[in-house]
Amino acid sequence: DGGITQSPKYLFRKEGQNVTLSCEQNLNHDAMYWYRQDPGQGLRLIYYSQIVNDFQKGDIAEGYSVSREKKESFPLTVTSAQKNPTAFYLCASSLRAPRNIQYFGAGTRLSVL
Amino acid sequence: RKEVEQDPGPFNVPEGATVAFNCTYSNSASQSFFWYRQDCRKEPKLLMSVYSSGNEDGRFTAQLNRASQYISLLIRDSKLSDSATYLCVVNRGGNTGKLIFGQGTTLQVKP
Repeated sequence: DGGITQSPKYLFRKEGQNVTLSCEQNLNHDAMYWYRQDPGQGLRLIYYSQIVNDFQKGDIAEGYSVSREKKESFPLTVTSAQKNPTAFYLCASSLRAPRNIQYFGAGTRLSVL
Repeated sequence: RKEVEQDPGPFNVPEGATVAFNCTYSNSASQSFFWYRQDCRKEPKLLMSVYSSGNEDGRFTAQLNRASQYISLLIRDSKLSDSATYLCVVNRGGNTGKLIFGQGTTLQVKP
């Protein structure tokens, strides 16, 4: 089945710890995106990548880092510098603009211990 | 002013009712428009793209008014399974593929 797989589904972070969220897609999409969703709010863009080995900051990149070494994979690291990491994290992918319908993974819920 | 504005609701309607959601956007350079549906604690899923001529998919009709920078979604004959949050989504213009998501409008269909 083609799709986007995020793991883990739930993640707990201790103070001062970095954690990495996985996102893998087999849709052969060039572009990938990371969003954060807080309760009752819209999705906010953290980072995006339109091509392998290239990525750009979104609206709320501080405290996060990404890599794009393979077309299929776009992992997100939530660093200890992100002081309020508790949220629902969603990964998406799309064909390159302007054909930019985005398809989402099932998300990772991150909480702080 | 938010880039994409929606009435958060909730809209509480009986089964079989017709309900309409509206959305305004601020970037006149936006070229792509979508409605996504998000169920509680799940990921957003594409409901339909929105075209200038308006488009229909079964009980769902979407309209775009570029002059007023306004998008609408009409749901006819509401079903219990339509209960969800509906996200208005607009691209930022240019060639980045970046989308802006509204905060969503919550619909609750009652029996």
